[in-house]
Amino acid sequence: AQKVTQAQTEISVVEKEDVTLDCVYETRDTTYYLFWYKQPPSGELVFLIRRNSFDEQNEISGRYSWNFQKSTSSFNFTITASQVVDSAVYFCALSGMNTGFQKLVFGTGTRLLVSP
Amino acid sequence: EPEVTQTPSHQVTQMGQEVILRCVPISNHLYFYWYRQILGQKVEFLVSFYNNEISEKSEIFDDQFSVERPDGSNFTLKIRSTKLEDSAMYFCASSDALAGADEQFFGPGTRLTVL
Repeated sequence: AQKVTQAQTEISVVEKEDVTLDCVYETRDTTYYLFWYKQPPSGELVFLIRRNSFDEQNEISGRYSWNFQKSTSSFNFTITASQVVDSAVYFCALSGMNTGFQKLVFGTGTRLLVSP
Repeated sequence: EPEVTQTPSHQVTQMGQEVILRCVPISNHLYFYWYRQILGQKVEFLVSFYNNEISEKSEIFDDQFSVERPDGSNFTLKIRSTKLEDSAMYFCASSDALAGADEQFFGPGTRLTVL
C-alpha cells in the first residue's frame, strides 16, 4: 500500500523566516514519483515539483528547495525567506508503478501561515 | 497557457438528486482524473480514465458514480442519488503522458453542497 504522512498539521512563521515542511512516504514500488502541490485560500491545486525515485538530487527553484532522501523515505520542502503569499496548504503526493501511476496518493497537508 | 476548466464552480443540490460535474481537460491530454476533497481533509483519488474507459478507480468510486467523455472535449462525473457525505470539492485533472509519471494539471474544482 502507498501512504504519505505529513505530520505537521499547521505551521506559523513570521515573514522572512525559513520553514521546512516534512513529508514521509511508504511504498513497495521500486519506481515511483513524488510531488508537492500548493493549495492557496482560493482552493485550486498548484503543481510545484515532481521527482522520480531514481533522482535523489536536491532541487532549488528560487526560494523553494526540496530534499529527497530515499534512505529515510522523506521528501521535505523548504521555503527560504517566507512571504505572506506563501500562506497556503501544501500537499505532498506519491504515485507508484504498482497502480500504473494511475493515481496520486496525497498526504493530509500542512497549513502554512506566514504573518507580516 | 492551457488549463483545465470545470463547471460549475459551485453546485447545490438536494439529497437524492443526480448531479453532473463537468470538466474540459487540456486539449492534447490523454489521461483524465477525478479527485475529491472533503472540507479540511486531504485530496482523494476517485478515478482515472484513458482511451474511453476507466483505467483505475478507488473504493470510493462505487456504483453511485460514473464518468463519461461524451465528446472530444468534455469529461464528466455523474453522481446518482447524492448523499450528504458527497459534499466536497471535486477536482478534475489531466495529463498528457504515462499517468502519474507526468504532471497532472488540476482544474479549479467544483464545490458540491448536498442539502
